[in-house]
Amino acid sequence: SQQGEEDPQALSIQEGENATMNCSYKTSINNLQWYRQNSGRGLVHLILIRSNEREKHSGRLRVTLDTSKKSSSLLITASRAADTASYFCAASRVGGSRLTFGEGTQLTVNP
Amino acid sequence: DTEVTQTPKHLVMGMTNKKSLKCEQHMGHRAMYWYKQKAKKPPELMFVYSYEKLSINESVPSRFSPECPNSSLLNLHLHALQPEDSALYLCASSPLLLGEQYFGPGTRLTVT
Repeated sequence: SQQGEEDPQALSIQEGENATMNCSYKTSINNLQWYRQNSGRGLVHLILIRSNEREKHSGRLRVTLDTSKKSSSLLITASRAADTASYFCAASRVGGSRLTFGEGTQLTVNP
Repeated sequence: DTEVTQTPKHLVMGMTNKKSLKCEQHMGHRAMYWYKQKAKKPPELMFVYSYEKLSINESVPSRFSPECPNSSLLNLHLHALQPEDSALYLCASSPLLLGEQYFGPGTRLTVT
């Protein structure tokens, strides 16, 4: 079963707006990762946040992690049409040996 | 070189064919992965190699046979596939298990 559940399933915004995607997971994790996938292509690693971290930034990306709520969020600021993609969270469970991907959020940024 | 390459990009095969997918990385990563992805779904893990040894097989049917000839190469041998095996097959590598993974562009497989 999938470790991560993401919401919303789909998000449509205008260029320049911020986009927020959420991910929830069920068990304790070592780290949580976010990936982007453009249509029909491979996934691109965006950011990894460890269980002892609460917030991490990379360019226009901001990821938060709340281990008490078992949830994470990905914020993309000042979105661009090129940000249109599917975004997946992936959890590395404590004691596990693989990443478990969430169902993904399809983000559409309209010019 | 921070790239994972996969060949071929597209593959159409009949149910009686035998074909292979290839994956290569030169980043010195010691973990390599095969995933299967259906449209609008997340990747599903199939196999994991760690230090060239198979460490995880997610109960994949034997018509899929992985091989890791050396630390840079990963193959997926296909035989007697079914139409429902049509999907995007992704290869990935990571420095260590559970770390960030680098994905190839995938092979779009169609089984007729």
